Amino acid sequence: DAKTTQPPSMDCAEGRAANLPCNHSTISGNEYVYWYRQIHSQGPQYIIHGLKNNETNEMASLIITEDRKSSTLILPHATLRDTAVYYCIVRARTDYKLSFGAGTTVTVRA
Amino acid sequence: GAVVSQHPSWVICKSGTSVKIECRSLDFQATTMFWYRQFPKQSLMLMATSNEGSKATYEQGVEKDKFLINHASLTLSTLTVTSAHPEDSSFYICSARGEVGHGDTQYFGPGTRLTVL
Repeated sequence: DAKTTQPPSMDCAEGRAANLPCNHSTISGNEYVYWYRQIHSQGPQYIIHGLKNNETNEMASLIITEDRKSSTLILPHATLRDTAVYYCIVRARTDYKLSFGAGTTVTVRA
Repeated sequence: GAVVSQHPSWVICKSGTSVKIECRSLDFQATTMFWYRQFPKQSLMLMATSNEGSKATYEQGVEKDKFLINHASLTLSTLTVTSAHPEDSSFYICSARGEVGHGDTQYFGPGTRLTVL
């Protein structure tokens, strides 16, 4: 039972912002939104997470809609090294398991 | 901070042998560690959850006698694939959960690629 829906793939141009959407319409009040990415043949890398407020760190920004039913991960200036599979995951506060869906394969093109 | 290592990074073994994979949190103490498996072109599947000093909890369909997990300390967990067969060939990834400044977050190791001949 998938808790999130992401587009299977997207392309973006190097140097431009990449906006990755995620739908989580059944999210409950005690569930976080987490983003990870996996570069080919490596372990997933933590990017960012949030509950209801927008968040920003050195890697990305996370914009969560007011009703919390969807979110957008923003990579401000995509580089070729950002080519990866990006996973949006909903996780309950007290259940630390992560359930990975198919994610979005992002290809950054020069 | 928040570095998780795995050893070995890749291993090739003969069918019927056992293989041990180590997962270490290098700069933080991990309350809980997780083991995942990833087949080619598929997503990660959680195999088991382990807490330091207690028995691992396995996901449905994962054989606990085949995939032995030991979580002996707050920085080390091991996964032993016993009597490995070719269908066990996969990418095994561990993660560790700890308070490392990003809240209660899981950090992943680089993965171990197992090939059983």
